[in-house]
Amino acid sequence: QQPVQSPQAVILREGEDAVINCSSSKALYSVHWYRQKHGEAPVFLMILLKGGEQKGHDKISASFNEKKQQSSLYLTASQLSYSGTYFCGTVYGGSQGNLIFGKGTKLSVKP
Amino acid sequence: SQTIHQWPATLVQPVGSPLSLECTVEGTSNPNLYWYRQAAGRGLQLLFYSVGIGQISSEVPQNLSASRPQDRQFILSSKKLLLSDSGFYLCAWSVPTGLFGANVLTFGAGSRLTVL
Repeated sequence: QQPVQSPQAVILREGEDAVINCSSSKALYSVHWYRQKHGEAPVFLMILLKGGEQKGHDKISASFNEKKQQSSLYLTASQLSYSGTYFCGTVYGGSQGNLIFGKGTKLSVKP
Repeated sequence: SQTIHQWPATLVQPVGSPLSLECTVEGTSNPNLYWYRQAAGRGLQLLFYSVGIGQISSEVPQNLSASRPQDRQFILSSKKLLLSDSGFYLCAWSVPTGLFGANVLTFGAGSRLTVL
């Protein structure tokens, strides 16, 4: 039931854009996005609770397509500080409501 | 403000030895508490969660156990470690929102365990 993230890794130059996808074989109730820098704890970025919802802050945004059972994270005009591993966490209907995380997408932004 | 403490930060243990990792949360009451393990290439795996003192739910069968002796204390233990127990263990907490699927996790700094 673990969601599938793609790509597994991506390398960008500063200023370039990236999209990270998170898809599930089961219907999703909500999607959370976290970022983990090397050697640190994951940090919450945003949560999407409704199908069709889109959110964003600064130049990082996300969408949730409930019907397609997927979510995408958009990083625009990437900065060096965006480097890290991005995880989507999914909550399935009928579950206990706990987050099930994907394997992560490693993003490296180069100068 | 709320803070989460986790220790030890790093430990190296021989196979068959016991384990105790501790996590405490400050600045909040009745939090949900979680133990996750991060192994290379496998993402974040939920091991245990607790919604109250003495209430522990296990997500995966293993030789690990968890206990919550106090409201803001969560302990991960093992009687005999296996090589496969190596990994990065993360404690997390959330405030029960009452809204399904909306509990945002705040993670501790983690404990890196190497079993030799």
